[in-house]
Amino acid sequence: AQSVTQLDSHVSVSEGTPVLLRCNYSSSYSPSLFWYVQHPNKGLQLLLKYTSAATLVKGINGFEAEFKKSETSFHLTKPSAHMSDAAEYFCVVRIENQKLVFGTGTRLLVSP
Amino acid sequence: NAGVTQTPKFQVLKTGQSMTLQCAQDMNHNSMYWYRQDPGMGLRLIYYSASEGTTDKGEVPNGYNVSRLNKREFSLRLESAAPSQTSVYFCASRRDGNYGYTFGSGTRLTVV
Repeated sequence: AQSVTQLDSHVSVSEGTPVLLRCNYSSSYSPSLFWYVQHPNKGLQLLLKYTSAATLVKGINGFEAEFKKSETSFHLTKPSAHMSDAAEYFCVVRIENQKLVFGTGTRLLVSP
Repeated sequence: NAGVTQTPKFQVLKTGQSMTLQCAQDMNHNSMYWYRQDPGMGLRLIYYSASEGTTDKGEVPNGYNVSRLNKREFSLRLESAAPSQTSVYFCASRRDGNYGYTFGSGTRLTVV
């Protein structure tokens, strides 16, 4: 069965330092992968998606993710964190019938 | 541009009460979904509808029913609410093809 594992439940960074949110996937074929962000008491917003085109995917707000088949990873990065990046981030894989399977989430904390 | 609209935003029910969560989208999407979000568990699919007139069970359908009233609306009904159904519920819709979902802002339900 296809699934995603988010390796950290919480990540803390200082403003201006790099962000790395880790995600590993399990899939028997080339998956479609997404990162969604959820700000406090808000809905979910699509950050970026990988659908077997370029392995380095650029998203909104300066985020990007690299699909690495050899490592079955799809980690989310940003060169310089901003206070407004504090939120919960979900790694997601699309399975049959276009359904989404969500990771358990990583809460990003950004300190001044 | 409204996107996906969920009502109500907040609700408190007593155990055994029934209620219907409403969801409507104005993007002419065929597919609609209901998810629940619980701490540490990400989002889990309750039911989905690939097109008007069809509905299918997701990962956690027990205790819920759905109706795809027309192309725009997809409602979720709790016939006899239980404390285990305390959660945040998200409705989403998706355009046909290789696109991400659009999520509503959620309904926070508490069953006491």
